[in-house]
Amino acid sequence: DAKTTQPPSMDCAEGRAANLPCNHSTISGNEYVYWYRQIHSQGPQYIIHGLKNNETNEMASLIITEDRKSSTLILPHASLRDTAVYYCIVKVYAGNNRKLIWGLGTSLAVNP
Amino acid sequence: DTAVSQTPKYLVTQMGNDKSIKCEQNLGHDTMYWYKQDSKKFLKIMFSYNNKELIINETVPNRFSPKSPDKAHLNLHINSLELGDSAVYFCASSQDGPGGYTFGSGTRLTVV
Repeated sequence: DAKTTQPPSMDCAEGRAANLPCNHSTISGNEYVYWYRQIHSQGPQYIIHGLKNNETNEMASLIITEDRKSSTLILPHASLRDTAVYYCIVKVYAGNNRKLIWGLGTSLAVNP
Repeated sequence: DTAVSQTPKYLVTQMGNDKSIKCEQNLGHDTMYWYKQDSKKFLKIMFSYNNKELIINETVPNRFSPKSPDKAHLNLHINSLELGDSAVYFCASSQDGPGGYTFGSGTRLTVV
């Protein structure tokens, strides 16, 4: 599975958009990009995933570059409750092999 | 109604003891997982079961034994607990397909 690179930490003002980058320059054509977050002391929470097209759901938007070598997770109006560690993971969906390899993610602090 | 529930939430025990952590999901998912999160916050997969069949078995000491009585349950039994087993253990489940995981809230195991 391809490796991902994320900044270790970011700050964002409450109410503003939080744009979290992820580099996955070695991604292969059948690898999906997944985003999860972990709020302190809780279990990780799935946010969104995509293959080639940009995706949006009630939590966030995922922008994947045309060459698929990087992506950005956008939280459109960050709130204090969005303070968490955000993980970007790439993974092949292949039958039952759904092992996700987790890095250290980006620690996002949303400030009042 | 909790989607993936783990019990207990906290577990403090002495070295050498045997303990179990239970996990149940009510989402109708086909695959269940156990992850370990150490003090450095890395999430590492331990086991994965698909419809009661062991799919992923990472390099985990054989003191750890998963048991899946049915596809809604995946329990983790640990024999002869060691200090290094202290960590947060997360159960998760997923449906067939490239969608995301749903995690439980974790079990914090402390071996003294």
